[in-house]
Amino acid sequence: DQQVKQNSPSLSVQEGRISILNCDYTNSMFDYFLWYKKYPAEGPTFLISISSIKDKNEDGRFTVFLNKSAKHLSLHIVPSQPGDSAVYFCAAVNAGNNRKLIWGLGTSLAVNP
Amino acid sequence: EAQVTQNPRYLITVTGKKLTVTCSQNMNHEYMSWYRQDPGLGLRQIYYSMNVEVTDKGDVPEGYKVSRKEKRNFPLILESPSPNQTSLYFCASSLDRGAYNEQFFGPGTRLTVL
Repeated sequence: DQQVKQNSPSLSVQEGRISILNCDYTNSMFDYFLWYKKYPAEGPTFLISISSIKDKNEDGRFTVFLNKSAKHLSLHIVPSQPGDSAVYFCAAVNAGNNRKLIWGLGTSLAVNP
Repeated sequence: EAQVTQNPRYLITVTGKKLTVTCSQNMNHEYMSWYRQDPGLGLRQIYYSMNVEVTDKGDVPEGYKVSRKEKRNFPLILESPSPNQTSLYFCASSLDRGAYNEQFFGPGTRLTVL
């Protein structure tokens, strides 16, 4: 039972355009969300996070939006660059279960020059 | 340079032959964790450690052991590996509990059990 769902296994975007990666969750006890990026042959690296008391967090080209009523968050990358090509994982913290971290399955982003 | 190191990076072994994957971090982090990544299943936590001598089971602990005798090291032990433990393994560390803090991951260990 996937509590954190990334329904698009892959996404292809042109360089310079916006990339939007989506993540849906089912558990209302999630109170913190994180995005990690993973290149081949490397471990995941932290990208950006957002608390459930906020609806937006921005860091340079990366912005995460949270819609609590829809249990949906999205990661926007503007403008997309070829170096952004990677697998992006959405993760959520379950405040009601000993702050357990729940991971999505990832979305593979390809940014084409 | 702040980092998490794992060794070996690649390992092919046979069923039943005990092995250890080492993990070390140089950031004085209290929290360390092991994950396995499998196609279609994402990242699943095997074991974690809140501090020295404190370890606990994650989601998929069967067939694995860990120890935390020193703050910087968190080895993963497979006493009797089986083919279903063929996977990509990641060690991670963070300042404390980990969930609300950025986790730093090692480069991964690809294990094949024949």
